[in-house]
Amino acid sequence: DAGITQSPRHKVTETGTPVTLRCHQTENHRYMYWYRQDPGHGLRLIHYSYGVKDTDKGEVSDGYSVSRSKTEDFLLTLESATSSQTSVYFCASQQGLGTDTQYFGPGTRLTVL
Amino acid sequence: EDQVTQSPEALRLQEGESSSLNCSYTVSGLRGLFWYRQDPGKGPEFLFTLYSAGEEKEKERLKATLTKKESFLHITAPKPEDSATYLCAPRDQGGKLIFGQGTELSVKP
Repeated sequence: DAGITQSPRHKVTETGTPVTLRCHQTENHRYMYWYRQDPGHGLRLIHYSYGVKDTDKGEVSDGYSVSRSKTEDFLLTLESATSSQTSVYFCASQQGLGTDTQYFGPGTRLTVL
Repeated sequence: EDQVTQSPEALRLQEGESSSLNCSYTVSGLRGLFWYRQDPGKGPEFLFTLYSAGEEKEKERLKATLTKKESFLHITAPKPEDSATYLCAPRDQGGKLIFGQGTELSVKP
């Protein structure tokens, strides 16, 4: 498995505050992803990156931004958190596209009050 | 539109009682179908990838199969430690995984 860590693992914040979640991988994987997981929904893609400074939107990108300044780090920012962004957030990484496996981090539980 | 449906949503088995989980999909340009296991409070853990209809893969008590419209995860003589949520995720032609909602499996001793 890829060495993927996420920080923080748990966070409680208030509506309107900015929040940044960090994903760090040690496998030198090119592709990185941010998902959210909510009851009644499968994992939904927020944003992804296909290289340093190369990012694109996923299915549920509104209210989120991302940055990738180094291969190993992928940041997810909620500019102004809302209660609808209360969720569990997972980061994933993958070496290439093709047939490569996507590996997941342990998740961050975010609560927006 | 790409779609993935997993059934049943929840499955309760007695230890040793074999069964199957279903993943029905409509995905254009399928580039593999992935199965993951997820334990409570943890990230998904990779189990299998299947690439073509008729392909089968096995790992311990689990066997995954693939047709052009469905994938099955067969669990033979399950144990309590097999209790988890199992996620199916076809990969579309753009390389993205499309996740089903999962099947929550509970195996009682």
